[in-house]
Amino acid sequence: SQQGEEDPQALSIQEGENATMNCSYKTSINNLQWYRQNSGRGLVHLILIRSNEREKHSGRLRVTLDTSKKSSSLLITASRAADTASYFCATDAGSAGTALIFGKGTTLSVSS
Amino acid sequence: GAVVSQHPSRVICKSGTSVKIECRSLDFQATTMFWYRQFPKQSLMLMATSNEGSKATYEQGVEKDKFLINHASLTLSTLTVTSAHPEDSSFYICSAAPGVWSDEQFFGPGTRLTVL
Repeated sequence: SQQGEEDPQALSIQEGENATMNCSYKTSINNLQWYRQNSGRGLVHLILIRSNEREKHSGRLRVTLDTSKKSSSLLITASRAADTASYFCATDAGSAGTALIFGKGTTLSVSS
Repeated sequence: GAVVSQHPSRVICKSGTSVKIECRSLDFQATTMFWYRQFPKQSLMLMATSNEGSKATYEQGVEKDKFLINHASLTLSTLTVTSAHPEDSSFYICSAAPGVWSDEQFFGPGTRLTVL
């Protein structure tokens, strides 16, 4: 069953604006990951944050993790039209090497 | 990073036929591979966990006799959709984990199955 829930389900912004997506999960995790998927294509791994980390950066991406609230956020700064895609958070079952449970995803549309 | 391939990338078949999808880890060995299914505008749902040399573990609601999984080697897992029906049309994605010590999984590019 799906563990992660993302909000918003859809987000439309203008180029240059920041986009924030949130993810909540239900059980203990070893790590949480964010993926991007362009329409009809495979997954692109964006960033992994471990349960003992609170914040992580990668280029224009910033991910936070609050294990007490069982939530994470993905911030994309200075968005570009090429950022238009669906974004999913995924959690493991509490240990490495286990299947990932995906959230429902946020569809981001960035217009120029 | 590690590479996982899937073949075919697209397949169209007639209702009632069987389709085999291959998932290969190209530059690492994977004792465990995972199969996911994604319907249009939905998220990925785990179907089964494929274990090398042993039976696959299926998620609740996934028919093991319909979705046959074979993980015969450390670099290859296959998913066979038997007696396919239009409702099986979906995007099938596999992933592989190098080992229980690895946090990261590597996803294949997916296979688009269309059953007519």
